[in-house]
Amino acid sequence: GESVGLHLPTLSVQEGDNSIINCAYSNSASDYFIWYKQESGKGPQFIIDIRSNMDKRQGQRVTVLLNKTVKHLSLQIAATQPGDSAVYFCAENYPNGGKLQFGAGTQVVVTP
Amino acid sequence: DTAVSQTPKYLVTQMGNDKSIKCEQNLGHDTMYWYKQDSKKFLKIMFSYNNKELIINETVPNRFSPKSPDKAHLNLHINSLELGDSAVYFCASSSTAGFRSNEQFFGPGTRLTVL
Repeated sequence: GESVGLHLPTLSVQEGDNSIINCAYSNSASDYFIWYKQESGKGPQFIIDIRSNMDKRQGQRVTVLLNKTVKHLSLQIAATQPGDSAVYFCAENYPNGGKLQFGAGTQVVVTP
Repeated sequence: DTAVSQTPKYLVTQMGNDKSIKCEQNLGHDTMYWYKQDSKKFLKIMFSYNNKELIINETVPNRFSPKSPDKAHLNLHINSLELGDSAVYFCASSSTAGFRSNEQFFGPGTRLTVL
């Protein structure tokens, strides 16, 4: 399944499928980006990050892609599991102040 | 061991009251933050302190006053609580040094309900 972030705040994906969560960021000077996962009743938790001098970074079952030309970030989750159900946020770091600006979030619901 | 802790986890109070939320981090970080998360899950930064100094102060009513007694603590005091203050408040911390500087570690949140 695929979401477009602000325009599709809920992404429903079948267990075992790959998920793609998209994020449009606002500041072309942002130099660092993070994806966070927030489970119900908990604080956001770091998943993966990427610096602006890279266009792809892989972790365990997750990949982040950065397209600076169109200010777009995506998170790919391979073989989505029930434990992946959560709200996912992208965040961009504004330089010269160290402020993280969070996107609106995408709710991922994994169905059996 | 909890890295970033907040107390209380839940806070229910009447309009007009004054309340405080406490935050502590044991990560040795030098920067701490307060965020407000509304009912639509939107996370908005309110304040940031670096080495006990205020460095970010977003457009927040002056009823909200952060206090950082030392690098490991950042408390949030709210005067004259209003209905619109109902939200989940998150504390976070980060280090300005190191490989993943600016990665923020979040506490579990404090759900504030103003009646």
